[in-house]
Amino acid sequence: DTEVTQTPKHLVMGMTNKKSLKCEQHMGHRAMYWYKQKAKKPPELMFVYSYEKLSINESVPSRFSPECPNSSLLNLHLHALQPEDSALYLCASSQGDKRLNEKLFFGSGTQLSVL
Amino acid sequence: AQSVTQLGSHVSVSEGALVLLRCNYSSSVPPYLFWYVQYPNQGLQLLLKYTTGATLVKGINGFEAEFKKSETSFHLTKPSAHMSDAAEYFCAVSPAGGTSYGKLTFGQGTILTVHP
Repeated sequence: DTEVTQTPKHLVMGMTNKKSLKCEQHMGHRAMYWYKQKAKKPPELMFVYSYEKLSINESVPSRFSPECPNSSLLNLHLHALQPEDSALYLCASSQGDKRLNEKLFFGSGTQLSVL
Repeated sequence: AQSVTQLGSHVSVSEGALVLLRCNYSSSVPPYLFWYVQYPNQGLQLLLKYTTGATLVKGINGFEAEFKKSETSFHLTKPSAHMSDAAEYFCAVSPAGGTSYGKLTFGQGTILTVHP
């Protein structure tokens, strides 16, 4: 299994809603990532988890709250989002050792629309 | 600090023609360089990467790229384009050191169109 599975594929939410994005991998990877990709823009890193601990937070607003319950799962909890948060949210994973030539495996993303 | 510049947001070629997608980088430390491809409504897939060693790197689907330190470039090429190569291509850089693995900085992307 070499897939990163993201659910849901599409999500529409209001600014007062609370929702969660889910990501799952069964490749034994120990590093997992959230990227945000606005339309016609490159992906931008949001968070990195290494061995279930948050290792990088790219100054993301607190209305985005990541969670890594175990080595296979990564969640992104959303609360009080703004319309400008509408984007494709990509999850990725990698082996997680210290070598920097790691290959990232990306999921297909969740297309989020905030109304 | 690091950055990536992809020259040309759109490139159009005929099927069977040479594909050349340009990437220049800026990095304060030795870089690791990557090319990713993204098909519509999909995530990104790694085409190839340069870390150390041989500067000509071969990837999947017949693509290759050459790291030229003197020119700070990492251009992507394919001798003969196929219709299935139509997609968006991203060049990315990460620092070769520290604990910043996965901390990729992407270029703006180049959309490749292949005409019959």
